[in-house]
Amino acid sequence: ETGVTQSPTHLIKTRGQQVTLRCSSQSGHNTVSWYQQALGQGPQFIFQYYREEENGRGNFPPRFSGLQFPNYSSELNVNALELDDSALYLCASSLGGLAAVHRSYNEQFFGPGTRLTVL
Amino acid sequence: GESVGLHLPTLSVQEGDNSIINCAYSNSASDYFIWYKQESGKGPQFIIDIRSNMDKRQGQRVTVLLNKTVKHLSLQIAATQPGDSAVYFCAETRPPPYFGNEKLTFGTGTRLTIIP
Repeated sequence: ETGVTQSPTHLIKTRGQQVTLRCSSQSGHNTVSWYQQALGQGPQFIFQYYREEENGRGNFPPRFSGLQFPNYSSELNVNALELDDSALYLCASSLGGLAAVHRSYNEQFFGPGTRLTVL
Repeated sequence: GESVGLHLPTLSVQEGDNSIINCAYSNSASDYFIWYKQESGKGPQFIIDIRSNMDKRQGQRVTVLLNKTVKHLSLQIAATQPGDSAVYFCAETRPPPYFGNEKLTFGTGTRLTIIP
């Protein structure tokens, strides 16, 4: 296990609703990245939060937003849900910043994901 | 734009045999590659990585080969075990030391099934 937890495990919503997904990062990590994984596809980068600020964003509309809290846990919010938002949402925590400079690889540790179904 | 793709969506291998999973990438500027393993109900798990200045890297029972000329990399798993059954993804990101906006660009994935 990676120490990264996500809640809820599964979620069913209807089109037009809003959803909040949560992620607790691994102890000592200050960076959280969110990915969307559609069925049968590889994960797609949504955005990353480093020390409570957005630190890069993928090709997702503004209705996908996020937060990172002082304890480095994070939320992903999706407004006006669409059917195509049905997917597995993964968060990954890592240690970013100067502490990562001397690492061989700034590995991202993934949580188990939240399965979102939009009806 | 960036894309990382795979040749085969599924692969079945007899237990004990070696397996090879292939991946093609289109961005010639890609310079750091990672293989991930994703088991059912779990998030991707890091297996092995390779920088663009290398052709080969070995880990425990795994070897990654990189051919920059044809923009292709492969993951070789030796003496496969039932626990190797999973979906395998290649991904590309920026190499260390770099921090900030380290998005991973994943391919579609190959489902590896080990036959007992």
